[in-house]
Amino acid sequence: SQKIEQNSEALNIQEGKTATLTCNYTNYSPAYLQWYRQDPGRGPVFLLLIRENEKEKRKERLKVTFDTTLKQSLFHITASQPADSATYLCAIPYGGSQGNLIFGKGTKLSVKP
Amino acid sequence: DAGVIQSPRHEVTEMGQEVTLRCKPISGHNSLFWYRQTMMRGLELLIYFNNNVPIDDSGMPEDRFSAKMPNASFSTLKIQPSEPRDSAVYFCASSLAQTGQGYTFGSGTRLTVV
Repeated sequence: SQKIEQNSEALNIQEGKTATLTCNYTNYSPAYLQWYRQDPGRGPVFLLLIRENEKEKRKERLKVTFDTTLKQSLFHITASQPADSATYLCAIPYGGSQGNLIFGKGTKLSVKP
Repeated sequence: DAGVIQSPRHEVTEMGQEVTLRCKPISGHNSLFWYRQTMMRGLELLIYFNNNVPIDDSGMPEDRFSAKMPNASFSTLKIQPSEPRDSAVYFCASSLAQTGQGYTFGSGTRLTVV
């Protein structure tokens, strides 16, 4: 069955640096991959979607890559700020291009001033 | 739009009691999802509905769990009888199906069964 893994449970970086989070999946390549942000006591918030035919997607200080050969997505936050501290989750659909999302367990990012 | 609305925010109940969690999805969204989140297992999909019809309930742990969606603006997740291992945060999410759009999650219900 399809599995999704976020290798780091926690990542600590200094303000101003670039944070890079990793998401790996097994088996078939999904039609797209999504990234979410979750703050304590809140539900996940959708950030970005990248499709299998897209190598890279950007939104303000966020950049996502999708490598179907490596079965991996990288999520970058440039010029990180303490306000970026949160847990970041990746998600992929299972059952083809539609259907439900399965989520990784997330990486908790802490940006120190 | 007020987003996905869940109630209650917190629920503490005794083992064996019935618990009902409620969700109002975003107007116009045609898919609704119930997830459970724990530290150990992360976010797990319990059930999802498309156009008010249950499509996949394979994630429902056992017969003690049931979910309904009587109309496009309301869904319930019921646990009867509740057990301590059901303690978790339960999220409802909605989306427009088959567009690849992100899900909109509610703020969740933190359930504690003692």
